[in-house]
Amino acid sequence: EVPLVQSGAEVKKPGESLKISCQGRGHTFTGYWIGWVRQMPGKGLEWMGNIWPDDSTTNYSPSFQGQVTISADRSISTAYLQWSSLKASDTAMYYCARWQQLASKDSFDIWGQGTMVTVSS
Amino acid sequence: SELTQDPVASVALGQTVRITCQGDGLRNYYASWYQQKPGQAPVLVIYGHNNRPSGIPDRFSGSQSGSTASLTITGAQAEDEADYYCNCRDSSAHRLSFGGGTKLTVL
Repeated sequence: EVPLVQSGAEVKKPGESLKISCQGRGHTFTGYWIGWVRQMPGKGLEWMGNIWPDDSTTNYSPSFQGQVTISADRSISTAYLQWSSLKASDTAMYYCARWQQLASKDSFDIWGQGTMVTVSS
Repeated sequence: SELTQDPVASVALGQTVRITCQGDGLRNYYASWYQQKPGQAPVLVIYGHNNRPSGIPDRFSGSQSGSTASLTITGAQAEDEADYYCNCRDSSAHRLSFGGGTKLTVL
């Protein structure tokens, strides 16, 4: 069983809104942060932000603060990444991953399969 | 804080390679390391004080001193050819960053 399952690929136009999801299976979400990571075509990994699903506390990268919204529904073990107005520069693969925040264990130990978002007119 | 990696590295088959990551956050927090092959999601290979998740070969090891973290592959195999990224918290403790990645070629 895959622990983190992301929603499918999306093709959108500039200015459109979008919400993609990441569902945890089993005990994936319990007591962990869930993070979102962007990877633009041919580029490296960029941390966007994390959420604690138990109370929806969020931490954002300054680069993404105000550009996206991270949310979660603990009752269905699902985290979301949302845009209100997409730009062509949002075209990228987006990964969710479970973040273990312990001084000796800091790491993204489980990753979703990725959601490809293409924004084009 | 930013994490800096050399963009490329190479190693002969069966030899040893060290990939480094530099950044101020590493003075206070452990780095984690990820392997990413083309078309695949990243995979955690090293975290904390030289810990390997289940299934990661013991030829992968990690070390850290001051503001530098290192990932060492001892006896590199063809299947180790991939991009490698380091990751760490910054001084705020609640923000993270990734290094720019190192593309490893096994010759």
